[in-house]
Amino acid sequence: DIVMTQSPDSLPVSLGERATINCKSSQSLLYSSNNKNYLAWYQQKPGQPPKLLIYWASTRDSGVPDRFSGSGSGTDFTLTISSLQAEDVAVYYCQQYYSTPYTFGQGTKLEIK
Amino acid sequence: EVQLVESGGLVVQPGGSLRLSCAASGFTFHDYAMHWVRQAPGKGLEWVSLISWDGGWTYYADSVKGRFTISRDNSKNSLYLQMDSLRAEDTALYYCAKDGIAARPNYYYYYMDVWGKGTTVTVSS
Repeated sequence: DIVMTQSPDSLPVSLGERATINCKSSQSLLYSSNNKNYLAWYQQKPGQPPKLLIYWASTRDSGVPDRFSGSGSGTDFTLTISSLQAEDVAVYYCQQYYSTPYTFGQGTKLEIK
Repeated sequence: EVQLVESGGLVVQPGGSLRLSCAASGFTFHDYAMHWVRQAPGKGLEWVSLISWDGGWTYYADSVKGRFTISRDNSKNSLYLQMDSLRAEDTALYYCAKDGIAARPNYYYYYMDVWGKGTTVTVSS
């Protein structure tokens, strides 16, 4: 199984500042036949289901604000929020869909400093 | 509007069985693979199972393999999860989720772009 490891577990950031969450996979998520990274990012606010933010490692889902961006390739990925807003307080998960069983990172709790 | 509504969650004794349902609307259900994902209280997300658009291929997490069965009825736009031999560690909020890309007639699987609100399963004596 592919192991997904996020860092940090908890991230306090001031409003308006940049937030960076890292995700590392135990094997490459880059599929050579289409040159795509099979990595997604989700946001989960308290009491709500997860919401898709990013897929193919860097493609924003429809309606996701452009302050959210994803980068990386192979085994190392990053979710960046360029200017933290109060409504961004949530737990963020990375997830690989390269192979079953699908696996998630343990989550990063983003909070206001 | 794409919508997924789960139901069937209950309190059940260890060793018992339960069948979860997910009613889908707002998209062409039979074009998409579907997933179940669970979240134990206060914990992270755990993928449980995946079924292809036609129900011909199914995949499971090792933690549920041999105990859970995923199925679908495309005529009813519905997804199911039959849960047998339930254990305390199966206690969780169970979400159904739609695959992100219409794969029919192929058998490729992707990210999960729409999630339901979940249904709660508690396994306790």
